[in-house]
Amino acid sequence: GEDVEQSLFLSVREGDSSVINCTYTDSSSTYLYWYKQEPGAGLQLLTYIFSNMDMKQDQRLTVLLNKKDKHLSLRIADTQTGDSAIYFCAESSNSGYALNFGKGTSLLVTP
Amino acid sequence: EAQVTQNPRYLITVTGKKLTVTCSQNMNHEYMSWYRQDPGLGLRQIYYSMNVEVTDKGDVPEGYKVSRKEKRNFPLILESPSPNQTSLYFCASSPWFVAGELFFGEGSRLTVL
Repeated sequence: GEDVEQSLFLSVREGDSSVINCTYTDSSSTYLYWYKQEPGAGLQLLTYIFSNMDMKQDQRLTVLLNKKDKHLSLRIADTQTGDSAIYFCAESSNSGYALNFGKGTSLLVTP
Repeated sequence: EAQVTQNPRYLITVTGKKLTVTCSQNMNHEYMSWYRQDPGLGLRQIYYSMNVEVTDKGDVPEGYKVSRKEKRNFPLILESPSPNQTSLYFCASSPWFVAGELFFGEGSRLTVL
C-alpha cells in the first residue's frame, strides 16, 4: 500500500509558527488532508486541499502542496498551547474508499 | 449536535469472548468506516460501508465482521477476540460517498487478555 511519511515530533515556543511536513506517494490523490487528534479524542478534520491547488489558507492555517515532490506542509501561525496535539496527514487511497494516514506528528507547544 | 457515537469507550475482555462495538451517526451519512490505531503502525482501515447493506474489507479485516442494516449504525463485531486485537478503535463517517471529510467517534479502547 501507499506510505505517507511524517516526522514524529515537533516542539515550538508559544507564539512561534509551526510547520509540519508530510510526503505522500500516490500522485493520483485528488485531495490531501490534515487531521488533528487531541488526547483521548478522535481525529478532527482541520483542512484539506484539492490536488490542483498549490496553497490554501484558513485563518491561522496554511497548507502548501508541491505535487512534483509529493510534499504537503501545514503551517500554524502564532501557535498556542491549545494547538498541542498529534497532526495527521492523509491521502485518498487508490479506491477512494479509505484514507491513508501518516503516523502522525506530535506537536508540543511550550510557554 | 452532529456526532459519531461509539460504545463502549473502554473494554477489557478475555480471549474468545464475542463482543460488539457499536457505532452510530446522526448526520445521515452514507459512508462509514472502522479504523484501528496502534503505536508505530498508525491508523489502519478494517472495514467500510458505502451504503446500507454494502460493506467491504479494508487493509486489516481478519478477525472482524461488520454489518450495515441501517444507515446510522455500523457495528464492529469480534467473534473470537485475540490479544493482537488489543487496540484503539475508531468509527468514522463521511458525507461523501467515499472516504474524505471523515467525522470520527471518540474511540473505543479494547484490551483482550
